[in-house]
Amino acid sequence: AQTVTQSQPEMSVQEAETVTLSCTYDTSESNYYLFWYKQPPSRQMILVIRQEAYKQQNATENRFSVNFQKAAKSFSLKISDSQLGDTAMYFCAFTPGFYNTDKLIFGTGTRLQV
Amino acid sequence: EADIYQTPRYLVIGTGKKITLECSQTMGHDKMYWYQQDPGMELHLIHYSYGVNSTEKGDLSSESTVSRIRTEHFPLTLESARPSHTSQYLCASSDRPENYGYTFGSGTRLTVV
Repeated sequence: AQTVTQSQPEMSVQEAETVTLSCTYDTSESNYYLFWYKQPPSRQMILVIRQEAYKQQNATENRFSVNFQKAAKSFSLKISDSQLGDTAMYFCAFTPGFYNTDKLIFGTGTRLQV
Repeated sequence: EADIYQTPRYLVIGTGKKITLECSQTMGHDKMYWYQQDPGMELHLIHYSYGVNSTEKGDLSSESTVSRIRTEHFPLTLESARPSHTSQYLCASSDRPENYGYTFGSGTRLTVV
């Protein structure tokens, strides 16, 4: 079965520091898409960053970047210069395949406190 | 501004009542989803739709039902609410999940007393 594991239920970081949230996944597919979502308290879930598995270059969006290790099936999120507004639940997700993209598979989430 | 709207935002209702949670999107997305999420917990897919008149059950068994008679509207109905239905319900939509992921609504927090 295709699964996503986020092994850190809760993390905390000081303002202006850097934090890395871990995510591993299991799939037999060779190509797929990966995502990190942010869910602030009582607010809408939003897309933070997206990675295509067939691209070796790690995605970057301002202070957010990923460390994508395809062979290890690892997709960690690094937040630099942490801000109070980064306090949220963070969910890792991926598509079952390159063409099977209609349903995302989500992890259990990591609660980040800044 | 294109977005996805869920109403009500909060709902407290008695056991046995029939309820409908509304979800509408203005983006013309074909794909729509309902997730159930206990506070601070993972998301469980309970229903999805690939277009008008298309509905499917998700990975988590649910006593709720859905309909999709218009592209923009995907309501979820509970015929007889029970305390076990207490949860947060998130609606999402997508056009090209591989490119843009999902767009989520703000959620409905349901409490059945």
